[in-house]
Amino acid sequence: EAQVTQNPRYLITVTGKKLTVTCSQNMNHEYMSWYRQDPGLGLRQIYYSMNVEVTDKGDVPEGYKVSRKEKRNFPLILESPSPNQTSLYFCASSLRLAGNTGELFFGEGSRLTVL
Amino acid sequence: GENVGLHLPTLSVQEGDNSIINCAYSNSASDYFIWYKQESGKGPQFIIDIRSNMDKRQGQRVTVLLNKTVKHLSLQIAATQPGDSAVYFCAENNGNSGYSTLTFGKGTMLLVSP
Repeated sequence: EAQVTQNPRYLITVTGKKLTVTCSQNMNHEYMSWYRQDPGLGLRQIYYSMNVEVTDKGDVPEGYKVSRKEKRNFPLILESPSPNQTSLYFCASSLRLAGNTGELFFGEGSRLTVL
Repeated sequence: GENVGLHLPTLSVQEGDNSIINCAYSNSASDYFIWYKQESGKGPQFIIDIRSNMDKRQGQRVTVLLNKTVKHLSLQIAATQPGDSAVYFCAENNGNSGYSTLTFGKGTMLLVSP
């Protein structure tokens, strides 16, 4: 089954404790992206990757890191989480973002709480 | 997400009615638009897309209309069903950014009563 898989789905952590949210897609997609979703603010892009070893900042990259060593994986790293990073996070992938292949496939989301 | 609906404009309709969800986009350079549906506790799902060389595109029970003059996009859902209850987002994309990002609107919650 074609899917984007995120882990963990739920996490409660404390300020400063490094964490990684993994994302994996099995569709051989070139493009991958991370979004955070907050009430009243909609979906905001954190980082994206057009292909392996190519990553770029989105609208709200502060406090986050990503890597794209393999095509299928795009982990989101919070080196020193803070309470303002409490949010619902979505990973998404697309064959290519341009043109008619712009459909983004989303994972089920990871709800992160930082105390 | 479970609290995604907070602070969102809401459209309430009866089952069987037609629904129209509107979206104003800001970037006149945007030339590709997508509508997404997000059910409670799930990630957004693609509904339909449209390129700027079109004014209208139809899918199954859904129609997207694009008015580039006033930078307005709408999603029409025919014979709305309770299963259509969700938050709907429009998203825009443009070549100025190398088609690298989709920018999402804030969303509209659709509530369908039986």
